[in-house]
Amino acid sequence: QKEVEQDPGPLSVPEGAIVSLNCTYSNSAFQYFMWYRQYSRKGPELLMYTYSSGNKEDGRFTAQVDKSSKYISLFIRDSQPSDSATYLCAMSEGQAGTALIFGKGTTLSVSS
Amino acid sequence: DGGITQSPKYLFRKEGQNVTLSCEQNLNHDAMYWYRQDPGQGLRLIYYSQIVNDFQKGDIAEGYSVSREKKESFPLTVTSAQKNPTAFYLCATRWGQGPYEQYFGPGTRLTVT
Repeated sequence: QKEVEQDPGPLSVPEGAIVSLNCTYSNSAFQYFMWYRQYSRKGPELLMYTYSSGNKEDGRFTAQVDKSSKYISLFIRDSQPSDSATYLCAMSEGQAGTALIFGKGTTLSVSS
Repeated sequence: DGGITQSPKYLFRKEGQNVTLSCEQNLNHDAMYWYRQDPGQGLRLIYYSQIVNDFQKGDIAEGYSVSREKKESFPLTVTSAQKNPTAFYLCATRWGQGPYEQYFGPGTRLTVT
């Protein structure tokens, strides 16, 4: 079983839809969780960063972490064509120097 | 203008040649990372460095080498020993010694024929 699982999609939605992107993980020691957005042929851009369980909201984006289920989600409200990108989840145990473990990414397409 | 610079954006090499990818940052971040990204594979860690003159192998270090002589610079050399070097290479930085979020450069697309 891989450490981080992420459905690659592609996921296609109409403009204005609510999008749910998810990752599951196996390592219960993960404490720090991130979501990155990557446009084609560009470097990933940090969207959300959360610690432990709970929700975090930033504009149209909400990140949720459920450590009991080892499941994290990113919700995008009122999706826009500009949200079309690949979304990568990443997580870390938290010890100094430990690397991030990335999911393979979900490709999202929002049509106008 | 602060940020992470990777050059060049596209790089073409013949098989059997070594090639060095540049990564420079002016964010004053301590840690720097190199990742490789292939279609459907996600990001795989090649090497990372937490301080100057020190670096550690990641998951796929074979065929690669790095140096960290300055805080601002972390060049990656793709050697002829790397069996499948064609990929998108990403450099990232992180502030401090904790598990903080990483910030990525724009990437270099390397094609070896």
